[in-house]
Amino acid sequence: GQNIDQPTEMTATEGAIVQINCTYQTSGFNGLFWYQQHAGEAPTFLSYNVLDGLEEKGRFSSFLSRSKGYSYLLLKELQMKDSASYLCAVRSMNTGFQKLVFGTGTRLLVSP
Amino acid sequence: EAGVAQSPRYKIIEKRQSVAFWCNPISGHATLYWYQQILGQGPKLLIQFQNNGVVDDSQLPKDRFSAERLKGVDSTLKIQPAKLEDSAVYLCASSLLAGVGGDTQYFGPGTRLTVL
Repeated sequence: GQNIDQPTEMTATEGAIVQINCTYQTSGFNGLFWYQQHAGEAPTFLSYNVLDGLEEKGRFSSFLSRSKGYSYLLLKELQMKDSASYLCAVRSMNTGFQKLVFGTGTRLLVSP
Repeated sequence: EAGVAQSPRYKIIEKRQSVAFWCNPISGHATLYWYQQILGQGPKLLIQFQNNGVVDDSQLPKDRFSAERLKGVDSTLKIQPAKLEDSAVYLCASSLLAGVGGDTQYFGPGTRLTVL
């Protein structure tokens, strides 16, 4: 099976930097996704990593280490609108098809 | 480009009643997914379609849940009879390919179901 762990909740201040960690255990690893989900809304895609290293996209960056089963999402220059849940999702290839499994999400609260 | 459409947005029913949700994926997307998201948790895959065939329904409670995707486009998810623990947001997502490369799932707004 799969196991995905991420902190339940984090707080940070506007303008600061925050790092949200995600550890996972899976067989047939085939990519890791980060989604943002505002309260009462659908998840929206943020980033995708399949190779080790850092992917940067504006204020958001995502890192992956496949050997350690570890990823993080880095948010810079935090804004109030970044208050949301951040979902780590691992894709694996099993029995001939791809499957995406989500973690429980990290709720980020950005304060002034 | 239009996104994933779902209806209704909200539904309140009593236990043992039946309910149906509808999803229209992004045009041209071959793969369609139904997820259940209970408050405070991440989305859990219920069923995955590739065109109009089922790829994975291992976590679908088949004694009460059913889903179909006729003609490989729209899909409906039905619960009959509903239980209290079915209260959740039901998310529909679609993707262009079947998880190849950076294939991304795009989510609809969801249907919030409350079972009383």
